[in-house]
Amino acid sequence: AQSVTQLGSHVSVSEGALVLLRCNYSSSVPPYLFWYVQYPNQGLQLLLKYTTGATLVKGINGFEAEFKKSETSFHLTKPSAHMSDAAEYFCAVSSLSGSARQLTFGSGTQLTVLP
Amino acid sequence: GAVVSQHPSRVICKSGTSVKIECRSLDFQATTMFWYRQFPKQSLMLMATSNEGSKATYEQGVEKDKFLINHASLTLSTLTVTSAHPEDSSFYICSAAPSRGGLNTQYFGPGTRLTVL
Repeated sequence: AQSVTQLGSHVSVSEGALVLLRCNYSSSVPPYLFWYVQYPNQGLQLLLKYTTGATLVKGINGFEAEFKKSETSFHLTKPSAHMSDAAEYFCAVSSLSGSARQLTFGSGTQLTVLP
Repeated sequence: GAVVSQHPSRVICKSGTSVKIECRSLDFQATTMFWYRQFPKQSLMLMATSNEGSKATYEQGVEKDKFLINHASLTLSTLTVTSAHPEDSSFYICSAAPSRGGLNTQYFGPGTRLTVL
């Protein structure tokens, strides 16, 4: 069984400020971890993913996340927020299901960027 | 990049009717497709896993006779909401896993907004 907890359903930052979105996971096996972004009335776009190897993962649009096994965390950060970063962000953990991996999503964090 | 389309993007129907939603992988073959449901301001909940040529696997609590899934080809999966009721109103999203893309790759469709009157 696996689960994802995203702390803070809403996060507001000023433009240019640091973005930190928190994600903790629970998994009985070594996890594969993902961050997705969703804009209103759209599907999900992959920001970054951790499978194996380097624990600091860089993604698109300047985002990065660090896998910390001891803390069971995979927090998403961006040094400087941009207005276009305003969206819903989902952390997910995966398990194998047949020929592909099945995703379990967190509850999401709505990021607001203030001018 | 890989593209997944959904049709229709938005549908409004009367209670009691059936609605079919299509999920297509446009430039790759997908052995496995996933169907999710998302309520307003909430996360995605996996409904079922669809494998080409075999029966779909439904998550606990999802009625397979209510939500019919057909994955007849490597590029198309359909979700039919039968005898829809207002409580079925939701945002339905599919994702497709490329047959040759490795286990960790999924591409999401843009979603279908279903409103049942």
